[in-house]
Parts: sequence; C-alpha cells; structure tokens
Amino acid sequence: EPEVTQTPSHQVTQMGQEVILRCVPISNHLYFYWYRQILGQKVEFLVSFYNNEISEKSEIFDDQFSVERPDGSNFTLKIRSTKLEDSAMYFCASLGRSNTEAFFGQGTRLTVV
Amino acid sequence: EDQVTQSPEALRLQEGESSSLNCSYTVSGLRGLFWYRQDPGKGPEFLFTLYSAGEEKEKERLKATLTKKESFLHITAPKPEDSATYLCAVAGGTSYGKLTFGQGTILTVHP
Repeated sequence: EPEVTQTPSHQVTQMGQEVILRCVPISNHLYFYWYRQILGQKVEFLVSFYNNEISEKSEIFDDQFSVERPDGSNFTLKIRSTKLEDSAMYFCASLGRSNTEAFFGQGTRLTVV
Repeated sequence: EDQVTQSPEALRLQEGESSSLNCSYTVSGLRGLFWYRQDPGKGPEFLFTLYSAGEEKEKERLKATLTKKESFLHITAPKPEDSATYLCAVAGGTSYGKLTFGQGTILTVHP
C-alpha cells in the first residue's frame, strides 16, 4: 500500500541551527502539506503546496520556515534558525487529485536544545 | 475561523463495552469531516470521510455519523487493539487537505 515516508524519525538540533525535514509523498499525489503537533496539543496546519508553489500558509509559518520540492519526489520543510518552541512532531501529508482524504507520514520528532 | 471540539478528552472502556465519541464543529462551507486514528508517536491514520448531514460510514467495529453541528464515532464491542487517540478534523474553504483538528479523544480499552 502506498505511504508517505518521512526522514529522519527523530532529529535533535541546537537552538539557532538550520534543520531540513524530508518527506516522500505518495507518487502521483499533487497536493502536499506540513503539519506540526506540539506535545499534548492539537495537530496544526502549517502550509500547503501545489504546482511548485505555496497555496496557503498559517500564521505559524513565518519567515523562518520554507518548503521546497527539489526533485519531483521529495518535499522538504526547512527551519532556518530553530527555537526551543519549534520542538514538536512534524507531519507531512499528501493528497491526490481524485482523493478527498489526506494521508499522513509517521512524522519527524524535532527536539531543539 | 474553523473550530473543532472533541469530547470526552479520555475514555476508558472494558472490552466489549460500546460507547461513542463526540466531535462538535463550526466551519464555513464544510467540504468534509474526517476521522483519524493516532497511535503514540505515529502519524494520523485515515478512517472515514463524511460529507453531508445524515451520512454514515462503517468500518469493522467503528461507525461514524454526521449532523450539521457534530459527528459521532460509535465503537461497538471494542477490543484492546482499538486503544488509540481518535482525531476529528474538518476541511472548509477550498482545500480538502487543509484540516482543522480537534484535541482528540484518548481511548483505552481494558481486557
């Protein structure tokens, strides 16, 4: 069964460092998303991406964040200068043209120390 | 602004003891209401999509229903392997993938 794959599963980084979280969406899916879940809190939408550009973003997704689809299969989330409050689970999701349900990856746990 | 509230926050059941989880929502232009299951440290796993009031969907021991203001996830004769956090989410506006999630209900089923 096709699935969304995320790497790494766990990333520890020092405050101020840049991190890149990677995702391989389901092939032939066209819409891509990043969500985050701070421990004990709701899953929150960050950004949606379609046709090689951001289609929508939340207030959380400020200038420290960027997304890219560098090679037609990977979808990345970059945090330029990490803060302690960026510690969370980050989930990638993808959606096909004829689907209405988004499929999520297993997440990357980001710990900023 | 879309809002989703789930209750109860936590539910403990004995194996075989049926119950229901509630999801209340407000959304401008509902495109779909989604139920996901989330195991500890894992990503949300899709269960159901409901599109309009009166709709019902079933999968094994789970049945989801939808009204104009809320959705219920009914669990019939649960087993310990049904223990998980159940998330409700809504998609409004123009995108099925931009979801607003509730806090979730943590379900524990004891043998």
